Amino acid sequence: SSELTQDPAVSVALGQTVKITCQGDSLRSYYVSWYQQKPGQAPLLVIYGKTNRPSEIPDRFSGFSSGNTASLTITGAQAEDEADYYCNSRDSSGKRVFGGGTKLTVL
Amino acid sequence: EVQLVESGGGLVKPGGSLRLSCAASGFTFSSYNMNWVRQAPGQGLDWVSAIRGSGTSVYYADSLKGRFTISRDNAKNSVFLEINSLRVEDTAVYYCAREVPAAAQDGYYYFIDVWGEGTTVTVSS
Repeated sequence: SSELTQDPAVSVALGQTVKITCQGDSLRSYYVSWYQQKPGQAPLLVIYGKTNRPSEIPDRFSGFSSGNTASLTITGAQAEDEADYYCNSRDSSGKRVFGGGTKLTVL
Repeated sequence: EVQLVESGGGLVKPGGSLRLSCAASGFTFSSYNMNWVRQAPGQGLDWVSAIRGSGTSVYYADSLKGRFTISRDNAKNSVFLEINSLRVEDTAVYYCAREVPAAAQDGYYYFIDVWGEGTTVTVSS
């Protein structure tokens, strides 16, 4: 299956650590990337190739992937991290797929 | 600066057609795969289609095959998405996105690194 499953919503207290997960069979074979999207804005790449972070993304964002599960961790969440987060991968036929998205609330 | 600018969205009646365009600048366009991703109001990201840099291979989401056609003109640094037989459920912001290769232990993998701001398609009678 090429589907990716994410929890619809997660919350975290300001300054605490939160993990957002993504599950799917395709993750066993293909790399995952993660995107942050704030209201009214285009998505922004935060993690690619499981663990790599673009230079402009703060180092409190990190990624991990093993088996059929990938995770995005924010260590010391800030108010500006409140957003929707999407995982993305592909399947063996070349089709790309996004997870359903996780709405992160910073309390 | 890498830039993607979509155009061609608008209000269309059910059954109509649209051709979306995405103008790219700031990079060697023909070297990159390009994607279209859509987002219905209040919903998540929905991958629509991709085309290789050479234009020789195209990919579509299974649910959309048949009504959507992706193409590109490398001489004009542009990628297009033609949508026929529009339905109310096609109402969405349509994003153009660049895909880049990265080296892996066993070859290359691809990921979307740059997105346009999107163009809005509204299908309504």
